[in-house]
Amino acid sequence: EAQVTQNPRYLITVTGKKLTVTCSQNMNHEYMSWYRQDPGLGLRQIYYSMNVEVTDKGDVPEGYKVSRKEKRNFPLILESPSPNQTSLYFCASSSTRIQDSPLHFGNGTRLTVT
Amino acid sequence: AQSVTQPDIHITVSEGASLELRCNYSYGATPYLFWYVQSPGQGLQLLLKYFSGDTLVQGIKGFEAEFKRSQSSFNLRKPSVHWSDAAEYFCAVGVGDNDMRFGAGTRLTVKP
Repeated sequence: EAQVTQNPRYLITVTGKKLTVTCSQNMNHEYMSWYRQDPGLGLRQIYYSMNVEVTDKGDVPEGYKVSRKEKRNFPLILESPSPNQTSLYFCASSSTRIQDSPLHFGNGTRLTVT
Repeated sequence: AQSVTQPDIHITVSEGASLELRCNYSYGATPYLFWYVQSPGQGLQLLLKYFSGDTLVQGIKGFEAEFKRSQSSFNLRKPSVHWSDAAEYFCAVGVGDNDMRFGAGTRLTVKP
């Protein structure tokens, strides 16, 4: 089954404790992206990757890092989480162009930073 | 700058009634437009998309949307709402080859 898998689904952590949210897709998609969803703001893009070893900032990259060492994986790293990063995070992937393959989303990771 | 506006934060309709969710976009070129649905605890699922051609597009689950260039709108409609349609709905505009700008979402409640 074609899917985007995020782990964990829920995460509670404390300020400053490094964490990683994993994302994996099995569709051989070149493009992967991370979004955060906050009430009243919709989804905002954090980082995206056009292919292996190619990443770039989205609209709200501060406080986040990503890596793309393999095509299927695109982890999101919070080196020193802060309470304003409490949010619902989504990973998404698509083929080369959204005209050919609109974004496929994971089920989300709800992060709480205390 | 590209943007998407969904004027209604929350809409309540009775089961069996018709539904229209509004979406307005701001984009310089011909837009690629999408509607996604998010059920509780789930990711976003694509309902329908518009790239070109017929301005009335059909999607899954009985939804349709109409692109109106003169009004910069892409409203989502369904003739008869089912209780299972209760969810949050996001309109999005494609930017470049891969990026999307999402609206803030409209939460739909369905009354029995």
